[in-house]
Amino acid sequence: GAVVSQHPSRVICKSGTSVKIECRSLDFQATTMFWYRQFPKQSLMLMATSNEGSKATYEQGVEKDKFLINHASLTLSTLTVTSAHPEDSSFYICSARASSGGIEQFFGPGTRLTVL
Amino acid sequence: AQSVTQLDSQVPVFEEAPVELRCNYSSSVSVYLFWYVQYPNQGLQLLLKYLSGSTLVKSINGFEAEFNKSQTSFHLRKPSVHISDTAEYFCAVSDLRAGGTSYGKLTFGQGTILTVHP
Repeated sequence: GAVVSQHPSRVICKSGTSVKIECRSLDFQATTMFWYRQFPKQSLMLMATSNEGSKATYEQGVEKDKFLINHASLTLSTLTVTSAHPEDSSFYICSARASSGGIEQFFGPGTRLTVL
Repeated sequence: AQSVTQLDSQVPVFEEAPVELRCNYSSSVSVYLFWYVQYPNQGLQLLLKYLSGSTLVKSINGFEAEFNKSQTSFHLRKPSVHISDTAEYFCAVSDLRAGGTSYGKLTFGQGTILTVHP
């Protein structure tokens, strides 16, 4: 149980284009999902907290107009990187916390974004 | 606000040797503590967690960690490592305050790469 998927697992795009990453909780409902970014050989940095049916809460320094987050259902959150640039290349990981309670987060396998 | 420090960025060991990965944290409030493992190009998998109760917690694959409140530490140990334990390990803390905007947010350490040599 408690499986989180991400799609795509890997994406390469041209500079200036937008990329959408999906995060799904497969066997549970998730009121809250988190989006992290991980640069090579570095730790995970929380970008934003996504709550179903409301606006996401962004961490300091994260541009909300560049990283659009939508959490339209209890099993799906999307992160759209708008007008991507090479410096946005990174490993993006989502996690989900079950609506049934508990503090534990279940992590997706990550999406490797490469912007050329 | 919380912070997590993993004192060793890389730990090389030989197979069947014991290992300790160190983690210290700072927080003005009570926290939950976690260890996650990340294999190359994969997401994080929960290894073990301390929420309350016994300060010594164990995983199914032989790892254990002990919460030491006075030293604000949560070091990870394994008495005998395998080649398959080669991975990056992250220590993390989570804010205990229910209802606040920071509830459940994880703060990660910098990670420790454990490399087990034959």
